[in-house]
Amino acid sequence: QQKVQQSPESLIVPEGAMTSLNCTFSDSASQYFAWYRQHSGKAPKALMSIFSNGEKEEGRFTIHLNKASLHFSLHIRDSQPSDSALYLCAVSDTGGADRLTFGKGTQLIIQP
Amino acid sequence: DMKVTQMPRYLIKRMGENVLLECGQDMSHETMYWYRQDPGLGLQLIYISYDVDSNSEGDIPKGYRVSRKKREHFSLILDSAKTNQTSVYFCASSLSVAGTSQNTLYFGAGTRLSVL
Repeated sequence: QQKVQQSPESLIVPEGAMTSLNCTFSDSASQYFAWYRQHSGKAPKALMSIFSNGEKEEGRFTIHLNKASLHFSLHIRDSQPSDSALYLCAVSDTGGADRLTFGKGTQLIIQP
Repeated sequence: DMKVTQMPRYLIKRMGENVLLECGQDMSHETMYWYRQDPGLGLQLIYISYDVDSNSEGDIPKGYRVSRKKREHFSLILDSAKTNQTSVYFCASSLSVAGTSQNTLYFGAGTRLSVL
């Protein structure tokens, strides 16, 4: 069964700095990798996803995937207080959303 | 506007009572899901529905059942609720086209259930 682990569990970052969040997975055949963000008391919302090794950038957010090391990460450039939230990584071995396994999350606080 | 709507938002029940959580979506998505979220455990999949009357167990189905009679509507039922079913329940939907960007999960705002 797929195991997904996130680190760190919580993180405090000063406003304007770079934030780096990590996710490891156990199944080397995994095909789809995603990050979701959940503000306090709200629904999780998809941020970014990636299928193949490498890097993908959307605005201030960059996702890195290294399947060989069973690791992917999310980097937030110029972190803002509005980025404070619970970040969830998710992995699918089918390539679709129907069998996503979520990590337990990283609680991010951006300090003004 | 793409939307997943959950009712009710908050619910308090006594142990042994039956619970019905309802979810609707306006995106004509084939696939719908029920998750529960507990502190320190993350999101856990209870059931998936691939279409009307086509339901599949997730990772923690025990104590739950589901019903999907219309594509846009998916219900979660707790028969004789237990205190360990106190949680936040999220419904989600997706197109689930594997290998494309159309497999994003769209979540509802959640139902906070307390079983006393």
